[in-house]
Amino acid sequence: KAGVTQTPRYLIKTRGQQVTLSCSPISGHRSVSWYQQTPGQGLQFLFEYFSETQRNKGNFPGRFSGRQFSNSRSEMNVSTLELGDSALYLCASSSQGHTGELFFGEGSRLTVL
Amino acid sequence: LAKTTQPISMDSYEGQEVNITCSHNNIATNDYITWYQQFPSQGPRFIIQGYKTKVTNEVASLFIPADRKSSTLSLPRVSLSDTAVYYCLVVNTGTASKLTFGTGTRLQVTL
Repeated sequence: KAGVTQTPRYLIKTRGQQVTLSCSPISGHRSVSWYQQTPGQGLQFLFEYFSETQRNKGNFPGRFSGRQFSNSRSEMNVSTLELGDSALYLCASSSQGHTGELFFGEGSRLTVL
Repeated sequence: LAKTTQPISMDSYEGQEVNITCSHNNIATNDYITWYQQFPSQGPRFIIQGYKTKVTNEVASLFIPADRKSSTLSLPRVSLSDTAVYYCLVVNTGTASKLTFGTGTRLQVTL
């Protein structure tokens, strides 16, 4: 069974640009959640999608958005990039939502210059 | 919002039992405690989850006292491959907005 796939694995952007990250969950998983990991703040919850609906959202500005498609694949978008957005962005899928076991991808490492 | 506190780092020798404690003083009634392991450049991996008393699986045990204000992850007979960062996560069944990762404990296992 294929795991959670995130693309791209690495990317470099400049301030003011926007970026879109993609996540393909494990087959059959309808919940996809996103996290930001930085050395200073650790792992922080961004949002969770379930059956194409955003079910929960963390404390991030509106520049961070996401969506989920009918095949459960998800994308997250960050607009007007800031230097502080440099981080590892992790996606996790679950069959039970956020309370169950989360299966994480390897992440997309974003560097903002 | 349950805030968690863990030791920043721990050292152990191969073959020893390692106990990592997580403090979550304001845990709510419908919060679960979950532990994840993370290796460099990889996403976290689920280890164990519990609500109260003791939970055991093939890789670890989780001890939760009656007041549930703390929990202890126990790794029996660690090996070099257990060197990783371990995260304590308090999961609220009501809303993922209350998902709280601990600061993580960096475990270093040596010979």
